[in-house]
Amino acid sequence: GNSVTQMEGPVTLSEEAFLTINCTYTATGYPSLFWYVQYPGEGLQLLLKATKADDKGSNKGFEATYRKETTSFHLEKGSVQVSDSAVYFCALSDNQGGKLIFGQGTELSVKP
Amino acid sequence: DAMVIQNPRYQVTQFGKPVTLSCSQTLNHNVMYWYQQKSSQAPKLLFHYYDKDFNNEADTPDNFQSRRPNTSFCFLDIRSPGLGDAAMYLCATSRGGRPNYNEQFFGPGTRLTVL
Repeated sequence: GNSVTQMEGPVTLSEEAFLTINCTYTATGYPSLFWYVQYPGEGLQLLLKATKADDKGSNKGFEATYRKETTSFHLEKGSVQVSDSAVYFCALSDNQGGKLIFGQGTELSVKP
Repeated sequence: DAMVIQNPRYQVTQFGKPVTLSCSQTLNHNVMYWYQQKSSQAPKLLFHYYDKDFNNEADTPDNFQSRRPNTSFCFLDIRSPGLGDAAMYLCATSRGGRPNYNEQFFGPGTRLTVL
């Protein structure tokens, strides 16, 4: 079945450091891929998405490229801020039933 | 702003006492979802409505029910809450219809405590 695997957290970085959170997936067909962010005590916010191979999603300085050959959708940001501290979820949808399959989440903590 | 609203944000109930959580949306989306999220875990889909059509996940306990009286509102009913049902409950919506069927917009969640 479909599944998403993320790198384990917590990830602790200093402000202005480079961020990579790895995400790989297993799916049949051509899923859409998403990154959601969850700040403490809040719901999930869509950070970025990509719907086909080689698409690059970007938002708020974050980027991720849909790599079909490596079945990956790694999240990157060139310079993190304290306000980026949150839990990040990678997710896929198989475009059939509208169901999102989430990874386990990666907690990011950015120190001043 | 168009949004997904959940009430209340915090709900306390007693073991075995029925509780209802509410979700409303101003996005006019066709699909509404309910997720359960326990601490440090990913959200787990309980069920969803596509318009009036109810779609239950195979592993959702019978203790959880849902109602969607109109496009804007959806309710989650927990008939006899147990201690294991304490969690954050997230409502989400999506427009429906490919390719945007799967882009979901989440509410802020209701944190349920069971005493």
